[in-house]
Amino acid sequence: DAKTTQPPSMDCAEGRAANLPCNHSTISGNEYVYWYRQIHSQGPQYIIHGLKNNETNEMASLIITEDRKSSTLILPHATLRDTAVYYCIVRVARSNTGKLIFGQGTTLQVKP
Amino acid sequence: GAGVSQSPSNKVTEKGKDVELRCDPISGHTALYWYRQSLGQGLEFLIYFQGNSAPDKSGLPSDRFSAERTGGSVSTLTIQRTQQEDSAVYLCATHGVQRESAGELFFGEGSRLTVL
Repeated sequence: DAKTTQPPSMDCAEGRAANLPCNHSTISGNEYVYWYRQIHSQGPQYIIHGLKNNETNEMASLIITEDRKSSTLILPHATLRDTAVYYCIVRVARSNTGKLIFGQGTTLQVKP
Repeated sequence: GAGVSQSPSNKVTEKGKDVELRCDPISGHTALYWYRQSLGQGLEFLIYFQGNSAPDKSGLPSDRFSAERTGGSVSTLTIQRTQQEDSAVYLCATHGVQRESAGELFFGEGSRLTVL
């Protein structure tokens, strides 16, 4: 199973872009990168996922390097409500399904 | 229902007792996961059900833990002879269409288990 490495914590000023890095150097060609976040005392929430192309939705943008060994989640204008633990995970693929293994994540603290 | 429902939301039990935790998935979701989250820790994978396939039990920490999913819908996680280290939030998650990029999990609010 591919593993991911994230910094344990980051700070970001409110209104600024938050850039959360993730390393997944052993990712396989058919594995996707997923991002989730967990706000205190809540269940994790899906943010975005991608294979090789950059992706954007209403919550965030995902930038994946050309060699796919790392990615960055971008929250363009962080708010206090974005304070959470952010998980970068790689989907283990068996057939066309597979379990999602969560690491320790990055605790993002958005400060006023 | 509209989301993943878990019960009970809180459970306090005595060491050595058995507990059952229930998960009602989103209707039609074929994949169901159980995770455990100890205080201040990340999510620990426990077990994964996909349709009628044999479940992936590779994350269950001991034979005191078991789970079943009846009729491809409701799932029950059972912990026998509970220990204090079993205290955690137990999270259930499901997802729907089985396709290559499927992976958007919908999580319940969790069942907080406290073993005294």
